[in-house]
Amino acid sequence: EVQLVESGGGFIEPGGSLRLSCAASGFTFRNYAMSWVRQAPGKGLEWVSGISASGGGAYNADSVKGRFTISRDNSKDTLYLQMNGLGAEDTAVYYCAKGRQWLGGYYFDYWGQGTLVTVSS
Amino acid sequence: QTVVTQEPSFSVSPGGTVTLTCALSSGSVSTSYYPSWYQQTPGQAPRTLIYSTSTRSSGVPDRFSGSILGDTAALTITGAQADDESDYYCVLYMGSGISVFGGGTKLAVL
Repeated sequence: EVQLVESGGGFIEPGGSLRLSCAASGFTFRNYAMSWVRQAPGKGLEWVSGISASGGGAYNADSVKGRFTISRDNSKDTLYLQMNGLGAEDTAVYYCAKGRQWLGGYYFDYWGQGTLVTVSS
Repeated sequence: QTVVTQEPSFSVSPGGTVTLTCALSSGSVSTSYYPSWYQQTPGQAPRTLIYSTSTRSSGVPDRFSGSILGDTAALTITGAQADDESDYYCVLYMGSGISVFGGGTKLAVL
C-alpha cells in the first residue's frame, strides 16, 4: 500500500524558513517523480514544486521561485521542501503527491494527508 | 501566465448527469495537455479520478468519465449520488515538469 506521510509544518513568523518532509513507502520511491501541492484555507489546490525521479530536474511555480527548493533523498525514500522567505500568502496545507508519467503526460496518483504551515506574527 | 478556468459551482439532482469543464486562458485544451481530474471533500486529501483525459483511476466508478468537449476538458458524472458532493479540480500538464490546477468546481447534489 502506497503511503505518503508529511511532517514539518507548524507556525512560523513572516520571513522565516521551514523544511517539510514526506516519507514514502509501499512503492519504489527512486523510480517516480514527486510533487508538492498546497491549499490555502478555503482556497483551491496549487501545484508548488516538482522533482524528477533521479532528482536531477526540479521545477517550481512562479509564486515560489527563488524561495522554495524541492529535493529528495532516494536512499531514505524521503521528499523535502525547503521554504525560505515565508509570507502570509504561503499559509496552506502542503500535500506531497506521487507522480506518474503516462503516455507522455504526467498526473498525481497518490496523495499524503498534508501538513499545515501557518505564517503569522 | 497560464490560467486554467473551471465553473466555481454547479448543482445536480440525485440521479442526474452533470458535466464540469476545464478551460485554458490561452487557447484550446487538447489531449496534449493530458488533463487529469481530482475529487476533494472538506478536510480530506484529493482523490485521483481521471488521468490522460479519459482513463479512470483504479477503483473509480464508471459513472465518472472524462473527455474533450470542444475547446475544453470535461468531467461528466452520470447518475449523480449524494456522496459525489465535493470539490472537483482539473490539472493540465504543461510539459517540462509543470502542472497547473484549475480553480476548482464545488458540486452540490440536491
